Amino acid sequence: DAGVIQSPRHEVTEMGQEVTLRCKPISGHDYLFWYRQTMMRGLELLIYFNNNVPIDDSGMPEDRFSAKMPNASFSTLKIQPSEPRDSAVYFCASSSTSYEQYFGPGTRLTVT
Amino acid sequence: AQKVTQAQTEISVVEKEDVTLDCVYETRDTTYYLFWYKQPPSGELVFLIRRNSFDEQNEISGRYSWNFQKSTSSFNFTITASQVVDSAVYFCALSDVGDYKLSFGAGTTVTVRA
Repeated sequence: DAGVIQSPRHEVTEMGQEVTLRCKPISGHDYLFWYRQTMMRGLELLIYFNNNVPIDDSGMPEDRFSAKMPNASFSTLKIQPSEPRDSAVYFCASSSTSYEQYFGPGTRLTVT
Repeated sequence: AQKVTQAQTEISVVEKEDVTLDCVYETRDTTYYLFWYKQPPSGELVFLIRRNSFDEQNEISGRYSWNFQKSTSSFNFTITASQVVDSAVYFCALSDVGDYKLSFGAGTTVTVRA
């Protein structure tokens, strides 16, 4: 079975540009999570969805970040405008009701 | 509030040595789940185990074993006869039952030298 798919795997952009990260969860999983990983802050949960509905977005750092899940098989995390401090690895994960989360390979974002 | 502490930042061992990773957690809830994840140098996060708070039996899977002690709020992970392929960052995590959010520890970097 295919795991969680994320694209792109690497993104380099200039400050001020819009960045869109994409995620396809494991089929049948009802929960989708977006995390950010940095050396300074470790793994942080940004937002998670249940059945395509955002449940908790308290980890979204500021209004420049937005996430959508238009259907059960696709989600996006958008940063507009991007800043150098947004440079990080962004992970998408999905889960069924069994609680364990399965992570995608991550998107390494570099904002210059 | 939930908190997961992995006091060991880095551990370095020689191949075939055993290595134990400590994890201490805090939660107000009486029912919760504990997890371990592995992040190898390639970067992906790999699920290793989930443990329920009401099941204190220790678990063994091949060279991996987990010791859950509710009395000390600890969920330690031992790799027996370590191999170079075990080199990775290992994360302990906590989730309250009914809350699907994971709280991660800071991670422990394990380096196994040949």
